[in-house]
Amino acid sequence: QQQVKQSPQSLIVQKGGIPIINCAYENTAFDYFPWYQQFPGKGPALLIAIRPDVSEKKEGRFTISFNKSAKQFSLHIMDSQPGDSATYFCAARAGGFKTIFGAGTRLFVKA
Amino acid sequence: GAVVSQHPSWVICKSGTSVKIECRSLDFQATTMFWYRQFPKQSLMLMATSNEGSKATYEQGVEKDKFLINHASLTLSTLTVTSAHPEDSSFYICSAHIGGSSYEQYFGPGTRLTVT
Repeated sequence: QQQVKQSPQSLIVQKGGIPIINCAYENTAFDYFPWYQQFPGKGPALLIAIRPDVSEKKEGRFTISFNKSAKQFSLHIMDSQPGDSATYFCAARAGGFKTIFGAGTRLFVKA
Repeated sequence: GAVVSQHPSWVICKSGTSVKIECRSLDFQATTMFWYRQFPKQSLMLMATSNEGSKATYEQGVEKDKFLINHASLTLSTLTVTSAHPEDSSFYICSAHIGGSSYEQYFGPGTRLTVT
């Protein structure tokens, strides 16, 4: 019940494409859903986050779509660039408790 | 703002020795700090949660006597890997939480530990 399931494991898109990464959860106590971007050898960096009372949030080229009834959320990257090539993690957190991470998606954007 | 640093960024040590990793919040006070380890091409695994001035809470399966965590101040937490073995080689990442109504945690750049 504490898991966050993330798919796909890896993704290759052409420059300008819109990669979509999906996550699903079971624990309805989760009330904060961040996405992190991680480059090799670096720590994760927060990209964008959403609370369950909102169905969509956009920040620059990154958009989170959230479906509370289905307990699913996804990340869309608009106009993807080679510099977006990285590993992306979805996560979920309940109140002040620990953050649960998805398994990660390795994205490669072809030039 | 909200910068977290780690030192060292990488370390190589011999089997049987101990190594200490520091995690500092540079421009904010962190009521809670988290320590993660990450194996190649895998996700972050939470090792322990530490609150300033109190004992760390370890996740199931993490040896508290092997991975000593000290959170002596609101800006510094340390992880000491005692009697390190090659299987402890990993990427260790800390994060810091401001507390209060903030949900966000800020991650450090990570420390690559190699035990030979």
